[in-house]
Amino acid sequence: GEDVEQSLFLSVREGDSSVINCTYTDSSSTYLYWYKQEPGAGLQLLTYIFSNMDMKQDQRLTVLLNKKDKHLSLRIADTQTGDSAIYFCAETGGFKTIFGAGTRLFVKA
Amino acid sequence: KAGVTQTPRYLIKTRGQQVTLSCSPISGHRSVSWYQQTPGQGLQFLFEYFSETQRNKGNFPGRFSGRQFSNSRSEMNVSTLELGDSALYLCASSLQTSVIEQFFGPGTRLTVL
Repeated sequence: GEDVEQSLFLSVREGDSSVINCTYTDSSSTYLYWYKQEPGAGLQLLTYIFSNMDMKQDQRLTVLLNKKDKHLSLRIADTQTGDSAIYFCAETGGFKTIFGAGTRLFVKA
Repeated sequence: KAGVTQTPRYLIKTRGQQVTLSCSPISGHRSVSWYQQTPGQGLQFLFEYFSETQRNKGNFPGRFSGRQFSNSRSEMNVSTLELGDSALYLCASSLQTSVIEQFFGPGTRLTVL
């Protein structure tokens, strides 16, 4: 069935780059997403990539997609304390979006 | 443009009661999806409404139901509440169905005692 997996925790120092990884199983996925959730808040769409793309860059965010390995990553350059949050990887092939369990990013000052 | 709003933000109910949650999508958005978020199960899709019709449904019991009004506002109802229904219920709106971009509300935190 459809599944999205990601590691649960990542800790980085302020100013370093963060790389959050995700794997998915549905080969018919059309769009892949990264969402950010801060405490007590809903999900904020950070970026998404169409499945026929390899890479997408948006300011400090770089998304890499390896469709053959069904692997998606999110790189945050110059990570700041304000980036501390839970990051969700998600995919959709149609009517519903499947989310990973989320990666909690800790940024140490 | 105002974002997705959900009311109430917090609710405390007891087992066996029923609850109704409300979601107002972004102006012009016609699709509303509901998700349940729990520490154990993560984010799970409940259902999607588009033009007042339920288009898609997740794997939840019939105690979970919803509807959408002509102004695209949506309500979700849970009857005969169980302890396990305690969760953050998130609503997301998008322009059309077969979502590309969804915009989430802040959620309603439901606690069942």
